[in-house]
Amino acid sequence: AQTVTQSQPEMSVQEAETVTLSCTYDTSENNYYLFWYKQPPSRQMILVIRQEAYKQQNATENRFSVNFQKAAKSFSLKISDSQLGDTAMYFCAFMTGAGGTSYGKLTFGQGTILTVHP
Amino acid sequence: EAGVTQSPTHLIKTRGQQATLRCSPISGHTSVYWYQQALGLGLQFLLWYDEGEERNRGNFPPRFSGRQFPNYSSELNVNALELEDSALYLCASSFHSFVAGPGYTFGSGTRLTVV
Repeated sequence: AQTVTQSQPEMSVQEAETVTLSCTYDTSENNYYLFWYKQPPSRQMILVIRQEAYKQQNATENRFSVNFQKAAKSFSLKISDSQLGDTAMYFCAFMTGAGGTSYGKLTFGQGTILTVHP
Repeated sequence: EAGVTQSPTHLIKTRGQQATLRCSPISGHTSVYWYQQALGLGLQFLLWYDEGEERNRGNFPPRFSGRQFPNYSSELNVNALELEDSALYLCASSFHSFVAGPGYTFGSGTRLTVV
C-alpha cells in the first residue's frame, strides 16, 4: 500500500516571499505520478502541479515548482513570490501508473495549511 | 465550459436514513471518482466509475455504493447512515485515459451532515 506524509500541519509566509512545503511518500511501484493540490475555503480541489516519476526534470508551473527526489521518495513544493490568494490547504497526492494497484485512485497526505500574510 | 457540478451543496440526514449525492462530469470526461473528506481522516478514495463500470473501490463498507449513467453522470448512495459518515464528499472527473491531459478536475463537494 502507498502512503503519503506531510509533516507540516501549518505554515505561514509573508507576501512576496518563498515557502517550501514538504511531502514524502512510500511505494514499491516504479511507475507513478505525484501531485500537489490546493483547496481554498471554496472547498474545490485545484491541481497546482504534477510530476511523472519517469521524468528526471522537476516540474514547474509559473511560481510553483517541485523538488522531486525519487531515491529519497521526497516531493516538495516551492511557492515563489507568495500571494494572498495562495492561502489554502495544500495536499500532496500519489497515484500509480496504468496497471498499478492504485491506478485511478489518488492517495492524499494529511495536508498543510498555508497562510500568506500581507 | 462548465466544471464538475455536484448536488446538493448541503445535505442533512438522520442516522439510519439513506443519502444520494449527484455528480455531473465535465463534457467529454468518461470517468467519475468519489472521495470522502472527513474531519481528522483526510481525503479518502471511495469509488471510480468509467464508462458505466466500477473500476476501483476504496476501503469502505458495502453501504457505500454508486452508479454511473449513460451520460456519464454519477450517483453516490450511502445507506444506513451513521454519524461518522458526516463529511465533505468530493466528485472528480477525467478523460478515460487519466494520464492524457490535465487529469482530474474536482467539483466543490456535497457537505453531508448526519444527525
